[in-house]
Amino acid sequence: SAVISQKPSRDICQRGTSLTIQCQVDSQVTMMFWYRQQPGQSLTLIATANQGSEATYESGFVIDKFPISRPNLTFSTLTVSNMSPEDSSIYLCSIGGGPLGGYTFGSGTRLTVV
Amino acid sequence: GNSVTQMEGPVTLSEEAFLTINCTYTATGYPSLFWYVQYPGEGLQLLLKATKADDKGSNKGFEATYRKETTSFHLEKGSVQVSDSAVYFCALRGSNYKLTFGKGTLLTVNP
Repeated sequence: SAVISQKPSRDICQRGTSLTIQCQVDSQVTMMFWYRQQPGQSLTLIATANQGSEATYESGFVIDKFPISRPNLTFSTLTVSNMSPEDSSIYLCSIGGGPLGGYTFGSGTRLTVV
Repeated sequence: GNSVTQMEGPVTLSEEAFLTINCTYTATGYPSLFWYVQYPGEGLQLLLKATKADDKGSNKGFEATYRKETTSFHLEKGSVQVSDSAVYFCALRGSNYKLTFGKGTLLTVNP
């Protein structure tokens, strides 16, 4: 199965700044997904990123706050903009979703906003 | 919309005990069902999956059977080990290929 490299693995950021998280996949994939896992909570889908089109955001998430790039079939970035302490979470990228397969997740980025 | 309800944790067991983590779902159509595991400090790993009714997913001694009549996908293991201590997430994939997760169940296995 495909391998995802996600970085950074963790970061501590000042409020008001932005952080860009990168995911690199070792094979070409059509769909990539970005999730947020708030402390002690489950995973919530932020957006779906397909190459060559605008990302599709879930309810409660907007492009100005979480801009996403998908320049090719192996790479995507998620930016958390104008951060506040409420953005402290683990952010994960994911690939997969074919008719029979499961999903593969990156190792996650643990973000703390101070 | 789709939803997943799983047993609230935490669950604490002794080594070699029997494990059940309940999971029920609400979905339109015919979802695929998954169990994911998150070990301390690590990302999510697919544990097992089932894509249609009566399928049984199994891996590492864990099993779950897709029960359409009860809309359930309970996770079981006959004899847990300390190394099974982790958070377990039940999830479904609907027709839009998006995953919906349950809230997760923290399992702690004591020696």
